[in-house]
Amino acid sequence: AQSVTQLDSHVSVSEGTPVLLRCNYSSSYSPSLFWYVQHPNKGLQLLLKYTSAATLVKGINGFEAEFKKSETSFHLTKPSAHMSDAAEYFCVVSDLGFGNEKLTFGTGTRLTIIP
Amino acid sequence: DAGVIQSPRHEVTEMGQEVTLRCKPISGHDYLFWYRQTMMRGLELLIYFNNNVPIDDSGMPEDRFSAKMPNASFSTLKIQPSEPRDSAVYFCASSFAVQGPTNTIYFGEGSWLTVV
Repeated sequence: AQSVTQLDSHVSVSEGTPVLLRCNYSSSYSPSLFWYVQHPNKGLQLLLKYTSAATLVKGINGFEAEFKKSETSFHLTKPSAHMSDAAEYFCVVSDLGFGNEKLTFGTGTRLTIIP
Repeated sequence: DAGVIQSPRHEVTEMGQEVTLRCKPISGHDYLFWYRQTMMRGLELLIYFNNNVPIDDSGMPEDRFSAKMPNASFSTLKIQPSEPRDSAVYFCASSFAVQGPTNTIYFGEGSWLTVV
């Protein structure tokens, strides 16, 4: 069985400071991991994904995430927050290779940017 | 590509009425998913299709919910009769594949359902 835990339900940072959104996963096989962002009243947009290639994954809008198997983590970071980054962020896991087409979503982290 | 297109974007209906939500996946995608998002339960997979065939509907809450995919470019999610607890955002999503480097799932902007 697969699961994902987002360690913070709400993160607040000042504009221009670094962002860290934490995610830990559990997977029986080789997982694919994703981060999606949801702006208010909008759908989910893919930020980045890991699929067993490079462990440091670069996404859109300056975000990146590092897959650490030993720590079962896939934390999302950005060096400098922008006001437009304020949104809900979801860490997502999907097992590869065993016909498991289901995505398992974390509960989300709401990111607030302080001017 | 226009992305995944859902309609209606917003619907308010009375309890007991039938609700039909519609989805047009991205052209060429073989997988279509219906998700529901609520404050209490987060994002839940309701059902998904592969090549128009329902593969797993274990997430469908009860018999009042049904989903169809009559062709590769159209799917419906129907609730009959609707109840206030069905109020949620319903997302449709599609994917070219579910394994390998092309296994990215693209979401529509959602249908916001309120049952009063």
